[in-house]
Order: sequence, then C-alpha cells, then structure tokens
Amino acid sequence: DTEVTQTPKHLVMGMTNKKSLKCEQHMGHRAMYWYKQKAKKPPELMFVYSYEKLSINESVPSRFSPECPNSSLLNLHLHALQPEDSALYLCASSPSGVRTDTQYFGPGTRLTVL
Amino acid sequence: RKEVEQDPGPFNVPEGATVAFNCTYSNSASQSFFWYRQDCRKEPKLLMSVYSSGNEDGRFTAQLNRASQYISLLIRDSKLSDSATYLCVVNFPMDSSYKLIFGSGTRLLVRP
Repeated sequence: DTEVTQTPKHLVMGMTNKKSLKCEQHMGHRAMYWYKQKAKKPPELMFVYSYEKLSINESVPSRFSPECPNSSLLNLHLHALQPEDSALYLCASSPSGVRTDTQYFGPGTRLTVL
Repeated sequence: RKEVEQDPGPFNVPEGATVAFNCTYSNSASQSFFWYRQDCRKEPKLLMSVYSSGNEDGRFTAQLNRASQYISLLIRDSKLSDSATYLCVVNFPMDSSYKLIFGSGTRLLVRP
C-alpha cells in the first residue's frame, strides 16, 4: 500500500496565524519530503528528511519550519506567512532516500494565505 | 538552460492516437529518471521509472538516451482517461545527497 496521507486537505489562514501541516506514512519509508507547488508549475523541493534528520533545506524562509517527530510523521509549521505562500503543499516519502528511490506523494494541502 | 525541459503542449489528440512526449535534462551525472502523471488539482503519481534499456508497461513505453540526455514517453491507443499533465522527473546529485527536479510538464488532452 503506497499511501501517504496529509491533513488538512484545505487551510485558510491569516498572515498572523500559526498553523501546522501534517503528513504520515506507514510504509516503513525512511526519507520524507516537503514540496511546494504553485498553479501551472511543477513541484519545488523545500525540505528533505532522511532517517529523521534534516538533510536538505532549499533555502526556504524561516516562516516555514519542518519537524520530523518519528519515522512515520512529518510536520510543517507555518508562521507569519505571506499571500504569495498560497500554494499546494505536497508531502512525499521514499524507501531510503538513495538516488534510485521512487517518491510517493500525498494528496497535498491546499493553503490560502489572506 | 532549464535543468529539465519539456514541451508544455497541450497535445490535443483523438482517442486511439499514439502520442510521444520528449524531455531533455542538463546534468550528465543524473542517474534516475521517472515519468509522473498529475491530474488537475491532484498530486503527482508515478507512471513509470525509465531504465537505460527502455521499458514498457502496457500502452506506455519509456526510452532513455544518456548520450543525448533525452527521455521520451510514448502512449499508444490513447484513452480519454489519459488526459493529464505528464511530468518528466530527473534526479540531480547534490554533494552527498540528491534531489528530484521536475520538468514543467506536458499537458495531454484526449478527445472523443
């Protein structure tokens, strides 16, 4: 079962709010990823966790803060976002994070910042 | 030059047609290649990995030409349900790690 779940499906927040996006997988994968996708654009990598350690941060602004509490969970904490941060936020996982891994995506959280 | 480049389309074809998508990538050190499909407002879903010898899965055939840094996807006997955006995805080495780079996608519309 190649399933990655994400909550919430939709989120509307103001620029002063603090919210969190959650991602979960029970496939025993040891690498997890956050991507951001704007309309009519491809996904762009934000963060990579490998064996619960942050291995890649693609120079993402500090108003996005990732957290990996355990090997099955990945969170993205949001604070003081801007309207241009509105996008589809996709979580993905892969077995071990090596170069030949296939990544499996969750359904995404559609975020609107007012 | 973009890291992964695709013709954005749209490709508008009748049911039953054969359609081919092309993709080029810039980093000769890339080792893994994939085609994903993405439906409107949905997540990308793996269609197939692409191997050096070429590979086929039903109506879909993927080819890789490392010398030309070129990947292709052929869809035979197109179905209405094939309408989607097809993303060419390549891994790019980064120090001791790697990351996936997505092409901007090729949109396919299959009409009755």
